[in-house]
Amino acid sequence: GAVVSQHPSWVICKSGTSVKIECRSLDFQATTMFWYRQFPKQSLMLMATSNEGSKATYEQGVEKDKFLINHASLTLSTLTVTSAHPEDSSFYICSARPDRSPGYYFGPGTRLLVL
Amino acid sequence: AQSVTQLDSHVSVSEGTPVLLRCNYSSSYSPSLFWYVQHPNKGLQLLLKYTSAATLVKGINGFEAEFKKSETSFHLTKPSAHMSDAAEYFCVVRRMNTGFQKLVFGTGTRLLVSP
Repeated sequence: GAVVSQHPSWVICKSGTSVKIECRSLDFQATTMFWYRQFPKQSLMLMATSNEGSKATYEQGVEKDKFLINHASLTLSTLTVTSAHPEDSSFYICSARPDRSPGYYFGPGTRLLVL
Repeated sequence: AQSVTQLDSHVSVSEGTPVLLRCNYSSSYSPSLFWYVQHPNKGLQLLLKYTSAATLVKGINGFEAEFKKSETSFHLTKPSAHMSDAAEYFCVVRRMNTGFQKLVFGTGTRLLVSP
């Protein structure tokens, strides 16, 4: 089946630093990828839709300058949390939609802790 | 706009007894509905999906769900719970917005299975 990986699986950083999270589709191409955020014991909230070759589409209330998304290739999207603060601590999950088949496949998530 | 409501934040069952996880949807037209499961430290896994074909949908691991338009429901069931079914379950609707498709998650139901 289709596999999506995320790296790193967890990261601890100091307040004010930037953190980059990678999302890769390992065995399929994905023009469209999605980034979600999940707070403890809460649901997944869509942050943005990442499109290869064009700008990401952000959901209402998500700061595009704080959460930079780069869809560099058909198998890689990155989310950079700039100048991270403790309130950015969360579980970040990516999802990829294959170009040639239906479905949405999710990565295992990245747990971010900002001290 | 399409949305889903999961009526129970927690459901507790004994191993071997039936499972019922409730989900109601809101949509102005025939929706595409999904159930996903999230195990700790693992990516979200698709259990089953409804896309306007058969109203009774069979998924993996013995789960099934029935789309009932008259009740605007899409409840997830399993005849006999297994310890490995303990996880977080999300009811999800696919929404079209400004030309993009995206998944909108319910708040989740945590299934607890006791021996």
